[in-house]
Amino acid sequence: GQNIDQPTEMTATEGAIVQINCTYQTSGFNGLFWYQQHAGEAPTFLSYNVLDGLEEKGRFSSFLSRSKGYSYLLLKELQMKDSASYLCAVSNQAGTALIFGKGTTLSVSS
Amino acid sequence: DSGVTQTPKHLITATGQRVTLRCSPRSGDLSVYWYQQSLDQGLQFLIQYYNGEERAKGNILERFSAQQFPDLHSELNLSSLELGDSALYFCASSVTGEGGYTFGSGTRLTVV
Repeated sequence: GQNIDQPTEMTATEGAIVQINCTYQTSGFNGLFWYQQHAGEAPTFLSYNVLDGLEEKGRFSSFLSRSKGYSYLLLKELQMKDSASYLCAVSNQAGTALIFGKGTTLSVSS
Repeated sequence: DSGVTQTPKHLITATGQRVTLRCSPRSGDLSVYWYQQSLDQGLQFLIQYYNGEERAKGNILERFSAQQFPDLHSELNLSSLELGDSALYFCASSVTGEGGYTFGSGTRLTVV
């Protein structure tokens, strides 16, 4: 079976740094993805990790440890517009559909 | 505009009815995925098509069916609708059938 766990909610203040964790258990592994979704809108792609380590893209970074079944998304210099749901998703086999976690709702306050 | 087009944006229908949701993938993308998103369940994978053929099935009910046409657009058919089918239905597309999808803006289905 497949299982993806993320915290349900997180809060932070503008300018701060927040780390959203994701643990997964899948029958195979072909990459881990992070998506951002504002309420009522489509998810948008943020990052992709297939090898262990840190991928940095502007204010957002994503880390993967395949041996631990663990990833995190790091958001720096938080802005109000970063208030959204962050979805962790795993591809367990090449060419098959992504399996999503339930998402972490991040609220950024001033 | 992501390049993935879903119609209609909103749909309100009664229990027991049948509806069809349509998706046009991004130009050049061969793979189409359908997902259902309800408040308590998150994004649930329903079905995947690649170049006209069904590639994978997820938690899709027997009352639901889909197909991908030669022009690569896809339709999701939902029948004998129940209140619990009320949700956002997203279509996504990709070039190869691997990750890094582009999502459409979704169809919000309300069953009353």
